[in-house]
Amino acid sequence: TQLLEQSPQFLSIQEGENLTVYCNSSSVFSSLQWYRQEPGEGPVLLVTVVTGGEVKKLKRLTFQFGDARKDSSLHITAAQPGDTGLYLCAGAMDSNYQLIWGAGTKLIIKP
Amino acid sequence: NAGVTQTPKFQVLKTGQSMTLQCAQDMNHEYMSWYRQDPGMGLRLIHYSVGAGITDQGEVPNGYNVSRSTTEDFPLRLLSAAPSQTSVYFCASSYSILREQYFGPGTRLTVT
Repeated sequence: TQLLEQSPQFLSIQEGENLTVYCNSSSVFSSLQWYRQEPGEGPVLLVTVVTGGEVKKLKRLTFQFGDARKDSSLHITAAQPGDTGLYLCAGAMDSNYQLIWGAGTKLIIKP
Repeated sequence: NAGVTQTPKFQVLKTGQSMTLQCAQDMNHEYMSWYRQDPGMGLRLIHYSVGAGITDQGEVPNGYNVSRSTTEDFPLRLLSAAPSQTSVYFCASSYSILREQYFGPGTRLTVT
């Protein structure tokens, strides 16, 4: 059962455009992590959001955790080819002490 | 610090063969885990360990064994390889199950 749904599964846009990817669930998470994975490498953590409604910015990337802590979004402003990669979200569930992973959004930014 | 290292990078096996994927970390993390990554399915947890001598099953443990004799090392053994085990395997370590995971570079395994 996929508890974390990521959308879209695939996105290909031109350099300079803005985009938003989503991570949704019917479950409540104590925190949510966003990772980026480049081809041939392991995922690398971008940010962890903990508080409902929290917004974190990492240069051109803006992460938001839903008020109810069931969903999150990643917005990229003026996308660059270096943003290309697979974006994964992972939710932490205190109730069963495990990380729940989304299937990922594959992002391609064309020059 | 080397972080999390995995060997080999690539491996081809015939059905029925066995092998061990190596994983080591130098960050003194208690928690280590093995994932497999398949297209469209994200990361699925195979086995994990919360410390030396302690291991437990994840979501997809069948066909795999692990052991944790030291804090640093966490090898994954494929007992009798099957084509369904063709995948990319990642080892990760962390201070805790719910905190930031540090991943190795992965092993791409093909079973023919």
